[in-house]
Amino acid sequence: GIQVEQSPPDLILQEGANSTLRCNFSDSVNNLQWFHQNPWGQLINLFYIPSGTKQNGRLSATTVATERYSLLYISSSQTTDSGVYFCAAPQTGANNLFFGTGTRLTVIP
Amino acid sequence: DTEVTQTPKHLVMGMTNKKSLKCEQHMGHRAMYWYKQKAKKPPELMFVYSYEKLSINESVPSRFSPECPNSSLLNLHLHALQPEDSALYLCASSPGPDNQPQHFGDGTRLSIL
Repeated sequence: GIQVEQSPPDLILQEGANSTLRCNFSDSVNNLQWFHQNPWGQLINLFYIPSGTKQNGRLSATTVATERYSLLYISSSQTTDSGVYFCAAPQTGANNLFFGTGTRLTVIP
Repeated sequence: DTEVTQTPKHLVMGMTNKKSLKCEQHMGHRAMYWYKQKAKKPPELMFVYSYEKLSINESVPSRFSPECPNSSLLNLHLHALQPEDSALYLCASSPGPDNQPQHFGDGTRLSIL
């Protein structure tokens, strides 16, 4: 199946700092999603972004499908941003998502 | 995402028990999914239902038995589970088998004694 790699694996930020998370995928995709899993295990949809750029408040994402990567930008981080950020993509022709190994973000006050 | 509702939120069961996990969505989605997530790991697909028919079974042991009674409901029947089956079980839905995005429920945290 498709390989999805994320970096960095762990990230510690001071509140108010900005960060960029990266997702590389091994095959062409027609769908890519970013999720935030909070400390209670809830998996929250952040972006559905097969290509291009989207913004939602302090978060934005860019997917360059031809180069097989996606970036998630977090600006002015808050302690509530802590958790694990996953990107996920389906194998071509399939509808099941393959998840990356995640980036564990800790925002300290 | 709270548009996909999973019950119960927590479940503790013995290895000889039979229990069921339930998942419900009212978004008119026609594809539904079960994922399993072990601690500090990403979710992994177990089953996909498309138009109420099982379309993908990722070689899941038969002690896990999915059921899709109608387009809004998805069950996962559990029997004779092992301690290593303890995990967070996540349900998701999408508009169709080829239409994303997937929306996830809050999960059921399962512990096998």
